[in-house]
Order: sequence, then C-alpha cells, then structure tokens
Amino acid sequence: AQTVTQSQPEMSVQEAETVTLSCTYDTSESDYYLFWYKQPPSRQMILVIRQEAYKQQNATENRFSVNFQKAAKSFSLKISDSQLGDAAMYFCAYRSANAGKSTFGDGTTLTVKP
Amino acid sequence: SAVISQKPSRDICQRGTSLTIQCQVDSQVTMMFWYRQQPGQSLTLIATANQGSEATYESGFVIDKFPISRPNLTFSTLTVSNMSPEDSSIYLCSVVDRTRGNYGYTFGSGTRLTVV
Repeated sequence: AQTVTQSQPEMSVQEAETVTLSCTYDTSESDYYLFWYKQPPSRQMILVIRQEAYKQQNATENRFSVNFQKAAKSFSLKISDSQLGDAAMYFCAYRSANAGKSTFGDGTTLTVKP
Repeated sequence: SAVISQKPSRDICQRGTSLTIQCQVDSQVTMMFWYRQQPGQSLTLIATANQGSEATYESGFVIDKFPISRPNLTFSTLTVSNMSPEDSSIYLCSVVDRTRGNYGYTFGSGTRLTVV
C-alpha cells in the first residue's frame, strides 16, 4: 500500500518570504500523480498543484512550485512571496494512475507572519 | 472545474440516530469518494461510490454503519448510522476533476458532524 509522509506538522514563514514544505511517499508503482492541497480554516479543500510521475519537469503554478525527485520519492512544495492568504493546512497526496482514490499525508499547518 | 454542493454543512445529532449527507456534482462523474477528517488531522477514505454498483469500502468501514447510495452520475449520499460520539468528525465528498486534464480532486465544502 502507498504511504505519504509529511514530517513537518507546523511551519511558519514571514510574509513575502519563501517556505518549503516536505513530503515523501512510498510506492512500487511507476505511473502515478502527486498533489498538494490547501485547506484554509474555512475548511474548503482546494488543489494547489499536481505532478505527473512520468514528467521530469517540475510543476509550477504562479508562486507555487514543486521539487519532484522520483528516485528519492520526494515531493516538496515551495511557496514564494508568501502571503497572509497562504496560511492553511497543506496536504500532500498520492494517487495511482490506475485508481481514483488518493492517499493523504498528515498535513502541515502553515502560519504566515505579517 | 467541477462544483460540488454538499449538505448539510453542519449538524448536531443525538447518539443512536442517523444522518444522511448529500453531494450533488454539476457534471457527470464515474466515481465519488467519501472521506472522514478529524479536525486538524488527515483524511481517511471511507468508501468509493460507483454508479450502478455497490460502494467499495475501505478497511475499518462497513456498509451497515455507512450506507452509501449512488443513484446517478451526479449525486451520492452517505449515511452515518446509529451514531456515537466517536463519529463526530468532518465528512467530505470528492470527485476526480478531469477538466482541462486536471486529475486532482474537487471537494465538497464538508459536513461537520457533532454527536452528543
């Protein structure tokens, strides 16, 4: 079974600075997707960024980018120019290309300091 | 992206009673997923709801406790039966959003359940 590990329960960053959230996963599959989701205190979970395992190029969405290291099974999220609205719980998730269900990490609570 | 309407947003229920949570999607989807989330914790998959067949339950979850209906490709319900305080949690439905090749989840807004 796949597992997803987020080793940082809490992180904090100064507004306008850069922060990196860590995620490692374990799988024997070769074709899969990796995701970062954001859950603000209002509870609505939203997708931040995704990475296809077959792509070597790291995904980027505006201020959000990932560092995908397939051999190391590492998938970190970098948030640049942090904003107060980035404060949330961030979940790393794995999904097999052959299945719809996802496995989530335990989450990292990000605090942004003004 | 897909939009999911989830109801109710919250409820306080007496132990021993049942609550049915509804999710309506604005597009047809093959699978819908039901998750449980303790506040501040990770998501645990309860079951996958497929249209036209019985739901597939994860280990630790049984149909008698969490019956699921999936009458069509846009709607599903999850019932939490014979509730106890241990069922107090946030319940989320989700679908794989294939819009523009996006293969991540779209989530409902969640149902915060408190059992007293």
